[in-house]
Amino acid sequence: QKEVEQDPGPLSVPEGAIVSLNCTYSNSAFQYFMWYRQYSRKGPELLMYTYSSGNKEDGRFTAQVDKSSKYISLFIRDSQPSDSATYLCAMESRAAGNKLTFGGGTRVLVKP
Amino acid sequence: NAGVTQTPKFRVLKTGQSMTLLCAQDMNHEYMYWYRQDPGMGLRLIHYSVGEGTTAKGEVPDGYNVSRLKKQNFLLGLESAAPSQTSVYFCATATSNEQFFGPGTRLTVL
Repeated sequence: QKEVEQDPGPLSVPEGAIVSLNCTYSNSAFQYFMWYRQYSRKGPELLMYTYSSGNKEDGRFTAQVDKSSKYISLFIRDSQPSDSATYLCAMESRAAGNKLTFGGGTRVLVKP
Repeated sequence: NAGVTQTPKFRVLKTGQSMTLLCAQDMNHEYMYWYRQDPGMGLRLIHYSVGEGTTAKGEVPDGYNVSRLKKQNFLLGLESAAPSQTSVYFCATATSNEQFFGPGTRLTVL
């Protein structure tokens, strides 16, 4: 079983819809949680970073962490065609020396 | 600032050939990483470095070697390429809160 599980999709939504993405994890040592966005044939770029349970909002993006359930989510409001990308969750245990463990990524397609 | 650059962008090798991938950064970061990305597998850590002259194994190190002779450069070597090493390779550097990725190298081993 992978340490971090993520539905590969693809997830297809109409423009303006809310996109809901999630990851589950098994390692309770993970303390830091990230979402990366990766456009086709590009490197990933950091979208959201959080280290506590609860919600964190940044513009149209909301990251949610539930450590008790070992579950994290990313919501994209008012989705745009430019949000079409692969979204990767990543987790870090500082005890592991700043190394990230990634989910497999969810491909999202926002249709105009 | 170029950020993180990778050389080459594409490469095709035959089984048994060797090659070196170069990662260069101008961000003055101590931490550098090499990942491979395969469909549905996310990014898997091959090797990493916490500073000049130091390297350590990641999750999938077999068949790869690395060197960090200069702070700004992190080299990934394949001594005898195998078809299972066909992948997209990403280099990254890190601050305490964020990893910055290069554009990737697409490697095909025939």
